[in-house]
Amino acid sequence: DVKVTQSSRYLVKRTGEKVFLECVQDMDHENMFWYRQDPGLGLRLIYFSYDVKMKEKGDIPEGYSVSREKKERFSLILESASTNQTSMYLCASSLGGRASNYGYTFGSGTRLTVV
Amino acid sequence: ILNVEQSPQSLHVQEGDSTNFTCSFPSSNFYALHWYRWETAKSPEALFVMTLNGDEKKKGRISATLNTKEGYSYLYIKGSQPEDSATYLCAFSGAGSYQLTFGKGTKLSVIP
Repeated sequence: DVKVTQSSRYLVKRTGEKVFLECVQDMDHENMFWYRQDPGLGLRLIYFSYDVKMKEKGDIPEGYSVSREKKERFSLILESASTNQTSMYLCASSLGGRASNYGYTFGSGTRLTVV
Repeated sequence: ILNVEQSPQSLHVQEGDSTNFTCSFPSSNFYALHWYRWETAKSPEALFVMTLNGDEKKKGRISATLNTKEGYSYLYIKGSQPEDSATYLCAFSGAGSYQLTFGKGTKLSVIP
């Protein structure tokens, strides 16, 4: 069974901390994505990567960075966590190429609370 | 930022009722339209991918249609069951893009 694994289901961090959210997929997918989900706002794209070491900003990249050193792993970094980054974070992956009609495989999400 | 709209935002139906909801998306630069089901405490699960105008897809009691010229898709559930309770997401894939743009979802609650 194909999988996207997010390292933590729940996470509580303090304001100002540097936070790493990890995502690993075992499907040899080229594309990986980080979204956040907030009530009333839906899923919003933070960053994505279409190849190792490649990254592109999504719709809401401010306050975040990403790292993709290996094909299977895509990390989301909160440089200095703030309370407005309290959210559900979803990682997803898909087969390569632009405008693919292959859908996403999602991880189970990390609910981050910043206090 | 692309505008993908879903309506209604939420829906309560009785078990056995049939229901439908709408996704509207840009009609230009269209490549594909995806539907997902997201149950509480689970990962979103792919339902359908549609690419051609007039496409119809079916999976059990759930079906979907696509109109790319006017930019909308309908999702239908026939004879709703409590296990259909979930948030249904549609997502637009534009030509030349790697990523999907999601609507805010329709939250369906089926009352036994």
